[in-house]
Amino acid sequence: GAVVSQHPSRVICKSGTSVKIECRSLDFQATTMFWYRQFPKQSLMLMATSNEGSKATYEQGVEKDKFLINHASLTLSTLTVTSAHPEDSSFYICSVGGSNNSPLHFGNGTRLTVT
Amino acid sequence: GQQVMQIPQYQHVQEGEDFTTYCNSSTTLSNIQWYKQRPGGHPVFLIQLVKSGEVKKQKRLTFQFGEAKKNSSLHITATQTTDVGTYFCAGRDMDSSYKLIFGSGTRLLVRP
Repeated sequence: GAVVSQHPSRVICKSGTSVKIECRSLDFQATTMFWYRQFPKQSLMLMATSNEGSKATYEQGVEKDKFLINHASLTLSTLTVTSAHPEDSSFYICSVGGSNNSPLHFGNGTRLTVT
Repeated sequence: GQQVMQIPQYQHVQEGEDFTTYCNSSTTLSNIQWYKQRPGGHPVFLIQLVKSGEVKKQKRLTFQFGEAKKNSSLHITATQTTDVGTYFCAGRDMDSSYKLIFGSGTRLLVRP
């Protein structure tokens, strides 16, 4: 399966600052990447679908101006949490795959803590 | 919108006991996948079921897809401590084939 690298694995930031999370597909050209968010002991919630060379598709209730997604190449998608607040503290995970009913391959995730 | 629920939410078993988690979708699914997430880790793909009534086995794990393609189950025979984790089903709606919706998950703890 695809190898997905996500960075950083853990970040602590102050309220009001922005945090950028990188997701790299190391051995798979991904025209689409998926960003999920997972709160403690809860399920994975799809935030947005990142599309290479075009705008991301956001799920209902996800603010596109707060969660900026850039997918400039077939191997890299970034998620920037702008003006982070404590309620944004969560586990953010990217994934590749999913086309033609193929499984998703997840990055190791980024645990964001906003103080 | 599509909802995928799992029961139980949580189960604590003695090592050697069996375990089953049930997954129910509000809509008909084109396929269903199962993932396992260890504590502190990321989800790892286990298996995919596509056909109505399909049954697949992986060693001590048995996966079933319902006839109506709206429910699924995962059964683990003789649990081991290495089975600890949260098991998620994830389904694709027939009308939204690109989007994978995750179930609420079942957290399994195994007493040695």
